[in-house]
Order: sequence, then C-alpha cells, then structure tokens
Amino acid sequence: GQQLNQSPQSMFIQEGEDVSMNCTSSSIFNTWLWYKQDPGEGPVLLIALYKAGELTSNGRLTAQFGITRKDSFLNISASIPSDVGIYFCAGQNSGYSTLTFGKGTMLLVSP
Amino acid sequence: DAGVIQSPRHEVTEMGQEVTLRCKPISGHDYLFWYRQTMMRGLELLIYFNNNVPIDDSGMPEDRFSAKMPNASFSTLKIQPSEPRDSAVYFCASSPVSDTQYFGPGTRLTVL
Repeated sequence: GQQLNQSPQSMFIQEGEDVSMNCTSSSIFNTWLWYKQDPGEGPVLLIALYKAGELTSNGRLTAQFGITRKDSFLNISASIPSDVGIYFCAGQNSGYSTLTFGKGTMLLVSP
Repeated sequence: DAGVIQSPRHEVTEMGQEVTLRCKPISGHDYLFWYRQTMMRGLELLIYFNNNVPIDDSGMPEDRFSAKMPNASFSTLKIQPSEPRDSAVYFCASSPVSDTQYFGPGTRLTVL
C-alpha cells in the first residue's frame, strides 16, 4: 500500500525559532492534510491542500502542496510552547475516502 | 457543537474479556472512521462507514474485531476476546466529506 515518510521524527527547539517538517510519498496524492495531536487528545486538522503548488497559511503555520504531488511541507514560524505536540501529514487520492497518515513529527519547544 | 464523543476515555481489562468502545459522531456527518494508534504502527484505519453502511473493513485486524453503526448518531467497536496486543488508543472520527475528518479524544485501551 501507499506509505508516507515524515521527517524529522522529532525536533527539540527553542521558543521563537522557525520549524520545518516534510512528508514524502512513493505515489501521488490529490489532497494533503496536516494535523496536530496534543498529548491525550485526538488529531486536529490544521491545514488542507487541494492543488499542486498550493501554499496555504493558518496563522503562524504555512503548508505547501508539492509540485510533484508526492510531497508536502509544513512550516511554523516563531514557535511558542503551545506548539508542542505531534504533527501528522495525511494524503488522499481522489475517488477514495480514506486518508493515509505519516508516522508523525514530535515537536518539543523549550521556553 | 460538542464534537465527536467517545466513551470510555480509558479502559483496562483482562485478556479474554469483551471490550466495547463507543462513538457519537458530529451531527450531520455522513462518514465515520475507526482508527487505532500505537507507537510502532502509528495511526491505522480499521473501518469506515458512509451513511451507516460499512464501506471498507480491510483494516480490521482479525475476526475478533467488529464494528457496527445502527444509526447516524452511534457506532461501536467491539473486541472479543481481547488480547494484550490490542492495547492501543482507539480513535473515532467523522466528516461531512471524506477528507476533513474530525477526531474524538480517543479511548486508551489496556489489556492485561
């Protein structure tokens, strides 16, 4: 089946730093999604991308749908302690209703 | 809206016992998904329903697992008999269309 490779697996940064993480696939997706999971909670949708090359922002978060349709990137600017959590990418093919999730990037932010 | 509601939040049981996890999706959402999350395997889709009908159950690990959706506002995931390797966090998610899934808080299952 399809697999998503998310990197890095974890990051430990200082408050105020910018963060970049990415997700790559061996096959094409037509929709890319980014979720954040806080400890003890379910994933929450951050950004959805629907077109190759699309760049979408949500506050300090910016995500891009790769031109090849096989990758996506998430950037967080000026990180704060509440950014701590696990960030998941997910891809979807048109015509299917299911999402394929990456293994997640754990982000730790030091005050 | 209260969001997706799951119960119980935590369940500890002994091997061989039956376990039933419950989910109330967001009103008006046509899709309902059951996921399992472990450190080793990440988020795995077990089964999903569209308009109360099971569409794809290929992710259900074994016959010990079963899921039902008797109406638009309720679904159950049952494990019988439970085994230690079933220990995980089980999430229910719902969506009005299939990509914008809204997750519940999860049920942390421990099978001793």
